[in-house]
Amino acid sequence: DAKTTQPNSMESNEEEPVHLPCNHSTISGTDYIHWYRQLPSQGPEYVIHGLTSNVNNRMASLAIAEDRKSSTLILHRATLRDAAVYYCILRGGAGSYQLTFGKGTKLSVIP
Amino acid sequence: DTEVTQTPKHLVMGMTNKKSLKCEQHMGHRAMYWYKQKAKKPPELMFVYSYEKLSINESVPSRFSPECPNSSLLNLHLHALQPEDSALYLCASSPPGQIQFFGPGTRLTVL
Repeated sequence: DAKTTQPNSMESNEEEPVHLPCNHSTISGTDYIHWYRQLPSQGPEYVIHGLTSNVNNRMASLAIAEDRKSSTLILHRATLRDAAVYYCILRGGAGSYQLTFGKGTKLSVIP
Repeated sequence: DTEVTQTPKHLVMGMTNKKSLKCEQHMGHRAMYWYKQKAKKPPELMFVYSYEKLSINESVPSRFSPECPNSSLLNLHLHALQPEDSALYLCASSPPGQIQFFGPGTRLTVL
């Protein structure tokens, strides 16, 4: 599986936007970029995913670089509930079962 | 029902014990997964079941024995575990090859 690189930790003030970067320079043409997060004492939860175009959903936005070698997860207004470890994961195309988690970014939200 | 449930929440066992972890989902997902997560580390895939058949075993020691008795249930049978097997065991389910939904995990301590 292609690898991802994320900062170990980031801090954000409450109600401010947060940009979480992910580098994936060895991404293949069929790899989807997935983001999951894991809140303290919980299982991971899906946040968003995309292939080439930027994506928005109720939780976040995903901005994908034109060359697809990097992406950014955007939380528009961080809340205390967003404090979690955020994982950027590359996943093969349809029919690929494996999620290979990297080390992730621990996001702290300051009140 | 969009939940994956896992029982028990906590389990303490000796190295000679036999115990089982249980996972249940009623979302009609035909793929189910076991992950292991050590403290402060990302989840690692152990097994994947697709349509009740074992499709991926990530070279897991035989003291871990998975079972998928029907499309809603996934068990992990434990026997002769070692203290280093102490971890959070996460179950997930998904439509095959799609977004995974995780349970809260079972925290296992092996004495």
